[in-house]
Amino acid sequence: ELKVEQNPLFLSMQEGKNYTIYCNYSTTSDRLYWYRQDPGKSLESLFVLLSNGAVKQEGRLMASLDTKARLSTLHITAAVHDLSATYFCAVVRGAQKLVFGQGTRLTINP
Amino acid sequence: DTGVSQDPRHKITKRGQNVTFRCDPISEHNRLYWYRQTLGQGPEFLTYFQNEAQLEKSRLLSDRFSAERPKGSFSTLEIQRTEQGDSAMYLCASGKETQYFGPGTRLLVL
Repeated sequence: ELKVEQNPLFLSMQEGKNYTIYCNYSTTSDRLYWYRQDPGKSLESLFVLLSNGAVKQEGRLMASLDTKARLSTLHITAAVHDLSATYFCAVVRGAQKLVFGQGTRLTINP
Repeated sequence: DTGVSQDPRHKITKRGQNVTFRCDPISEHNRLYWYRQTLGQGPEFLTYFQNEAQLEKSRLLSDRFSAERPKGSFSTLEIQRTEQGDSAMYLCASGKETQYFGPGTRLLVL
């Protein structure tokens, strides 16, 4: 059974600091996704990572994928309050069925 | 294109009642997915359609749940004889490589 684990599950950090969220998955997969969810809202697609060594960046967020280690990271640079949200990684299984991690609830304090 | 839409956005019902939710995907997407998300958890896959064919169903989808996509466009998810444990956010997604999520239907069963 494919399992996806994120850590940490909760992260409180100060504006301006850097931090990394980790996503481990248990079996091989074709693609890995990162989504953002604001409280009470739906999921917003951030990144799709397709191959080993893939790196994508958007603003202060950068995602990478190591398929050999079955590990993806989401790095936050110089955090700002607007990045406070819950971040999910998800791995494709079968015909694009997504298996999600538990989510990392990120709070950025002024 | 306005994205994935879902209706209703909120539903409160009494235990034992039947409820039906609707999802309108992005028009050019032939794949449509249903997920369920409970508080503090990542979304869990329920079922998946390619055009009008329902190709995969999760074990989470008990016999009280039924989903249809009669013309390969919109989809409905019906829950019969609702139970308190059915309270959750029901998310619909459509997509090709990336799944785009709708705003969700939040169900509360009293």
